[in-house]
Amino acid sequence: EIVLTQSPGTLSLSPGERATLSCRASQSVWSNYLAWYQQKPGQTPRLLIYGAASRATGIPDRFSGSGSGTDFTLTISRLEPEDFAVFYCYQYGSSPLTFGQGTRLEIK
Amino acid sequence: EVQLVESGGGLVQPGGSLRLSCAASGFTFSDHYMEWVRQAPGKGLEWVGRTKNKANRFTTEYAASVRGRFSISRDDSKSSLYLEMNSLKTEDTALYYCVAKFYGTSDYWGQGTLVTVSS
Repeated sequence: EIVLTQSPGTLSLSPGERATLSCRASQSVWSNYLAWYQQKPGQTPRLLIYGAASRATGIPDRFSGSGSGTDFTLTISRLEPEDFAVFYCYQYGSSPLTFGQGTRLEIK
Repeated sequence: EVQLVESGGGLVQPGGSLRLSCAASGFTFSDHYMEWVRQAPGKGLEWVGRTKNKANRFTTEYAASVRGRFSISRDDSKSSLYLEMNSLKTEDTALYYCVAKFYGTSDYWGQGTLVTVSS
């Protein structure tokens, strides 16, 4: 089973700043099948990034994904107030599929 | 419009069983992989398992934590997904989401059904 470890656990930033979230896999993610989700309180998760670097439909271009193999990054170039939430990485390259434990992005 | 509506959650004693259902509409159900994902209160997302589509022989896969206790099935004629849960443990308490996967590029989530395992 691939274990995904996200860091940091909590990130405190201000609107307008740049956010960098990390996801490290315990072994290589096949075909870079790595996605990022955003979840706000009381809402279902929203897919942001798939295939490590492709934005899902309707996702603003301030969100970008990068990385390959075992190291992946979600970057939010300039934080908007609505971006503060919990973010999860998710690998779907090999079974069992797995989620990271999440990074909470909070307003400083 | 894609809609996924889960049902069947509730309170069950440890060791008991429960069957969740997910009614899908607004897309060609038979073409798509379907997953169950759960979230314990105040915790993160946990992948439970999935069923592939007919083209991939309806293959099912499970997380280690539920393998041998949970079973996923689908009825394409009814556009429905099921999760049969046996030998339930207190740590299975969670909100269970039904998720439709659209070729890895998008997905749709139901609102979830709450399962509480407690004596």
